[in-house]
Amino acid sequence: EPEVTQTPSHQVTQMGQEVILRCVPISNHLYFYWYRQILGQKVEFLVSFYNNEISEKSEIFDDQFSVERPDGSNFTLKIRSTKLEDSAMYFCASTGLRGLRNSPLHFGNGTRLTVT
Amino acid sequence: AQSVAQPEDQVNVAEGNPLTVKCTYSVSGNPYLFWYVQYPNRGLQFLLKYITGDNLVKGSYGFEAEFNKSQTSFHLKKPSALVSDSALYFCAVRDERGSQGNLIFGKGTKLSVKP
Repeated sequence: EPEVTQTPSHQVTQMGQEVILRCVPISNHLYFYWYRQILGQKVEFLVSFYNNEISEKSEIFDDQFSVERPDGSNFTLKIRSTKLEDSAMYFCASTGLRGLRNSPLHFGNGTRLTVT
Repeated sequence: AQSVAQPEDQVNVAEGNPLTVKCTYSVSGNPYLFWYVQYPNRGLQFLLKYITGDNLVKGSYGFEAEFNKSQTSFHLKKPSALVSDSALYFCAVRDERGSQGNLIFGKGTKLSVKP
């Protein structure tokens, strides 16, 4: 079964540094998402992306965050200047084969970001 | 605004006993409801969904969930728990009026099944 793949599995960075988290969604999916999960807390929506542009974003997704689909397969999340509170597990997801609203999201295994 | 509540942080069950993980939701339109499971250091894995039709939905690994519109609930159930079911379970909702399909998740319930 096709999977969403994320790299790296664990990223450690210093506060103020830029990080790029990478995702390869399932190949024929059309809608892409980033979620994050701070340790022990709920899974929070960050942003959705469709047709090469952001379609919806949450309050968490401020100017420090950006997303890009640089080619036909990758979907990246960039944090421009990391803060300690950005430490979390970041999940990429995709969907949209047919019937967007009743399609489940398919998640990757996540990237654990640790900001020191 | 859409929201999901999972009132229990943890559910403890003995192997072989039935289990229930509770979920209630709030949406303005008709809900699309989902359950996901998360094993340690893994992503969220889809278990089952309710869109329309029968209120009892069957999913992966013997799990099922019952949609109750009057109680705005979507509790996850399994007749006989396995130790391997121990994981974190998330309920999620999508409003039929939602624009781009993003899900709103509950805070998760840790299921612990003891031998």
